[in-house]
Amino acid sequence: DIQMTQSPSSLSASVGDRVTITCRASQGIGIHLNWYQQKPGKAPRLLIYISSSLQSGVPSRFSGSVSGTDFTLTISNLQPEDFATYYCQQTYTIPVTFGGGTTVE
Amino acid sequence: EVQLVESGGGLVKPGGSLRLSCAASGFTFSNYSMTWVRLAPGKGLEWVSSISSVSVYIYYADSVESRFTISRDNAENSLYLRMDNLRVEDTAVYYCARVPTRELAPPTAQFDSWGQGTLVTVSS
Repeated sequence: DIQMTQSPSSLSASVGDRVTITCRASQGIGIHLNWYQQKPGKAPRLLIYISSSLQSGVPSRFSGSVSGTDFTLTISNLQPEDFATYYCQQTYTIPVTFGGGTTVE
Repeated sequence: EVQLVESGGGLVKPGGSLRLSCAASGFTFSNYSMTWVRLAPGKGLEWVSSISSVSVYIYYADSVESRFTISRDNAENSLYLRMDNLRVEDTAVYYCARVPTRELAPPTAQFDSWGQGTLVTVSS
């Protein structure tokens, strides 16, 4: 199985900050990496798909990038509604696997 | 508007069974693959199972293989997850989600719409 290692597991940030979350795949997955946001008691929400494509309706302060097997989610100008847990996910192969999550608090 | 509504969760003893349902609306259900994902207490998201639009491709996580069965009824716009021989470690909120492809030959696609989830608790 492909392991997805997310870092950090949590971070402390303030409104207006630029936040960066990274995800590393244990083997090559091309660009088949997606990012989700989840708030407590709520369903996950797709933010970014295929590494850097912004899902419809998601604010442009969210962006994704890739370098080899390292993937990055960046939130520029953090807003109060952005405090949540973020997960990366690879859909390159079965089983689909998620990173362990990063809580922005 | 895409809507996915899960039901069927509850409290069950180890070794017991449950059948989860996911009612879909707001899109042409038969054109999309579907998937189940779970979130156990204190843990991260875990993919459980996926099924393609007309059930040609079906996949399971190793942790549920041979115990869970995914199925769908395109006439009823519904997705199901039959869970047998449940274990304490299956305790989780179970979400159904839509996959914006008809087929599921890897690489597969992102999960673009999610239901609110249904809680399954396995405890004696």
